[in-house]
Amino acid sequence: GAGVSQTPSNKVTEKGKYVELRCDPISGHTALYWYRQSLGQGPEFLIYFQGTGAADDSGLPNDRFFAVRPEGSVSTLKIQRTERGDSAVYLCASSPQTVNTEAFFGQGTRLTVV
Amino acid sequence: AQSVSQHNHHVILSEAASLELGCNYSYGGTVNLFWYVQYPGQHLQLLLKYFSGDPLVKGIKGFEAEFIKSKFSFNLRKPSVQWSDTAEYFCAVITGGYQKVTFGTGTKLQVIP
Repeated sequence: GAGVSQTPSNKVTEKGKYVELRCDPISGHTALYWYRQSLGQGPEFLIYFQGTGAADDSGLPNDRFFAVRPEGSVSTLKIQRTERGDSAVYLCASSPQTVNTEAFFGQGTRLTVV
Repeated sequence: AQSVSQHNHHVILSEAASLELGCNYSYGGTVNLFWYVQYPGQHLQLLLKYFSGDPLVKGIKGFEAEFIKSKFSFNLRKPSVQWSDTAEYFCAVITGGYQKVTFGTGTKLQVIP
């Protein structure tokens, strides 16, 4: 597609449930990033993929969060046992290479845990 | 770890007023600097970027930013704002390679017609 696509655009879930958020990057982009944006804050880095492997997952807040990119394209962010504090907009970005280029962001998935 | 500070959380201007949004970062090495804009209901979009070369960078829609290394600053400017510039603006920095972007907390700009 023309841009980074994220689905769903909105997700409401109950506390304790499992959720999956999907990111479809721009075709050909090898680098993929997940960020989380809480209300009144700038986006915070979660994890970075180069190809299929997670090159840096230092931003994942705890072991309830996990992300995969099995074929080097689509990525899924998985959150287990959701908590109300997980409510945020989850942003995905991709870039054609890792240096000297900007990342292109999707519109995000707004997750609300009730 | 690097950090980015944006001094103004909410700015209100009348149309045709000049704009300057402050951004300071903390990192002593080589940096790549960005300003992103998020219009209401839309995704983050790149406004301008600095990688190297001329420290005065021109972006889209008449925006520019100046990288002043000695001040660790990358302030955003526009000589005359329009109502359509109403948005949230984020300063961001990359250090040391790949796109682990550190964002500031953002500045909400409201332009009154």
